[in-house]
Amino acid sequence: QQPVQSPQAVILREGEDAVINCSSSKALYSVHWYRQKHGEAPVFLMILLKGGEQKGHEKISASFNEKKQQSSLYLTASQLSYSGTYFCGSSRGSGGSNYKLTFGKGTLLTVNP
Amino acid sequence: DVKVTQSSRYLVKRTGEKVFLECVQDMDHENMFWYRQDPGLGLRLIYFSYDVKMKEKGDIPEGYSVSREKKERFSLILESASTNQTSMYLCASVYSDLMNTEAFFGQGTRLTVV
Repeated sequence: QQPVQSPQAVILREGEDAVINCSSSKALYSVHWYRQKHGEAPVFLMILLKGGEQKGHEKISASFNEKKQQSSLYLTASQLSYSGTYFCGSSRGSGGSNYKLTFGKGTLLTVNP
Repeated sequence: DVKVTQSSRYLVKRTGEKVFLECVQDMDHENMFWYRQDPGLGLRLIYFSYDVKMKEKGDIPEGYSVSREKKERFSLILESASTNQTSMYLCASVYSDLMNTEAFFGQGTRLTVV
């Protein structure tokens, strides 16, 4: 099941914070976050597997709620280099065809000076 | 470093042609994926393969087929190209274990069907 992302787009000034949400009507096995800069391939940021998990570092971190139906990506004190499209993805399990990895529609983040 | 190579960056084909998009990975990953990326629609899964000769349809398989005869190569085939298949196509090779799943993407093939 494809996760739903919000918002579709965010415009920030350098130094501001942003939150990107990813949700599903059913519990997700895992949540994956990727960033794609303009003209480049998506790049892996992190994966969350456990309900209640928080991961990342001071500037870019993510959480996965207890019911495993919502994840949020937190970008703190944004830098120009954070600009790009952020995708959340989910898989239905591990092993064989369970690795099917689907993505949301993406959130376009623009950081201005 | 993991390398995922797509055979072409840009491709122009005529309506009705049979089109082959090739993807090669060098990390012995079992899982490989083909996505299509269109503005506002995100990354939509066309097909994926979780082992040699094993494949599964994604969310938008119509008009496409795939082939995986060797572990390192995953091909996407447009049986009879149509203008609505004009898009950016991304291949991904995915590393998976119990604790982690990470997709490595190729640079993409921008296909134009005229």
